[in-house]
Amino acid sequence: DAGITQSPRHKVTETGTPVTLRCHQTENHRYMYWYRQDPGHGLRLIHYSYGVKDTDKGEVSDGYSVSRSKTEDFLLTLESATSSQTSVYFCAISGTGRTEAFFGQGTRLTVV
Amino acid sequence: AQTVTQSQPEMSVQEAETVTLSCTYDTSESNYYLFWYKQPPSRQMILVIRQEAYKQQNATENRFSVNFQKAAKSFSLKISDSQLGDTAMYFCAFMKQLNYGGSQGNLIFGKGTKLSVKP
Repeated sequence: DAGITQSPRHKVTETGTPVTLRCHQTENHRYMYWYRQDPGHGLRLIHYSYGVKDTDKGEVSDGYSVSRSKTEDFLLTLESATSSQTSVYFCAISGTGRTEAFFGQGTRLTVV
Repeated sequence: AQTVTQSQPEMSVQEAETVTLSCTYDTSESNYYLFWYKQPPSRQMILVIRQEAYKQQNATENRFSVNFQKAAKSFSLKISDSQLGDTAMYFCAFMKQLNYGGSQGNLIFGKGTKLSVKP
């Protein structure tokens, strides 16, 4: 199994509070991604990174920011959480020249 | 923009029988990859099978095989000898190939098909 760890695995937070989710990899892969999964929508890309300090927006980036200061860590921040951000969040990684993307275990975030 | 459509929200199959999950996609790209991912109740996303668009031959992985029709932009998954452990959500996904080969890994997913295998 690819070495990807997401933390926390579960979180409940209040509307308006900041939240940071962490993705840590031990594979030294170049690309890292944050997806959200909602019923009836499959997985949708929030942000991705193609290297340290290199990030770009995905399909549903509003309300989210990311940072990647080290190859192994990719952080997703909700600056002010809203109930519409209640979801399951997945981190994924892939390597240069590779075609597979490997996923973390997911984080269930509930905003109340 | 690419889109992936899975027209069967739910399906069921008897244990040991064969089932086919449908997927169609839309793209103007010539070079790309297609995938089927499985998500059991544990929530883990597991790669089931991969197909390179430039390959004519359909991919096969043990009991899982695909029917890739590039002109029709169709990519169905066949599960033979279904097992109880195959019960899961199945997602079809598209990935664009970069010019220098390999891929960026930016997957575009369908909405999924929930498969139930009944004893």
